Amino acid sequence: NAGVMQNPRHLVRRRGQEARLRCSPMKGHSHVYWYRQLPEEGLKFMVYLQKENIIDESGMPKERFSAEFPKEGPSILRIQQVVRGDSAAYFCASSHDRGPIGYTFGSGTRLTVV
Amino acid sequence: GDSVTQMEGPVTLSEEAFLTINCTYTATGYPSLFWYVQYPGEGLQLLLKATKADDKGSNKGFEATYRKETTSFHLEKGSVQVSDSAVYFCALPDTGRRALTFGSGTRLQVQP
Repeated sequence: NAGVMQNPRHLVRRRGQEARLRCSPMKGHSHVYWYRQLPEEGLKFMVYLQKENIIDESGMPKERFSAEFPKEGPSILRIQQVVRGDSAAYFCASSHDRGPIGYTFGSGTRLTVV
Repeated sequence: GDSVTQMEGPVTLSEEAFLTINCTYTATGYPSLFWYVQYPGEGLQLLLKATKADDKGSNKGFEATYRKETTSFHLEKGSVQVSDSAVYFCALPDTGRRALTFGSGTRLQVQP
């Protein structure tokens, strides 16, 4: 009974490259949330998705960031043309019902932009 | 908007010492309150929660009481262990969004 699976655990990208972060929710969960944790800070909400729908992207930067949760496969957080300030830990959470009570978090992807 | 304020860390204690990590919040109404723990290199795990005023959440020897008069949810443990070394986050639901608002986290270091 796997939990929320995120991969890769660590990702290094050069400035200007693209970063793709994947999140497979817990079995039976259809709600996915992405959070970003900057160094020495708390988590900040980015986006909430259900299958094939973006429900709330009010925490997403306006440019270069996008997210999807297709009918089949994991949710993807995509960062185009990465900059050093994108270096952070990105966490995914999933839930059976609309969260946040009942969230389960993944172990995160630590993105380093060099 | 809603917000959470935690005491700054790091908090360094000796094993078996008493722990308090302060958390106060600003919110509309009486939201549920949470404490999450993040061990090194891992994601967040729910440690305990309280869903209404005067509730006490408890887990693994940790406790926190929801006090609406002081809008606080302080985390306590009577005797910490080295294995409790982690970052602790206080959180509440973000009104109007299916999301959590987190405090900035408090790092706890327990020395043998």
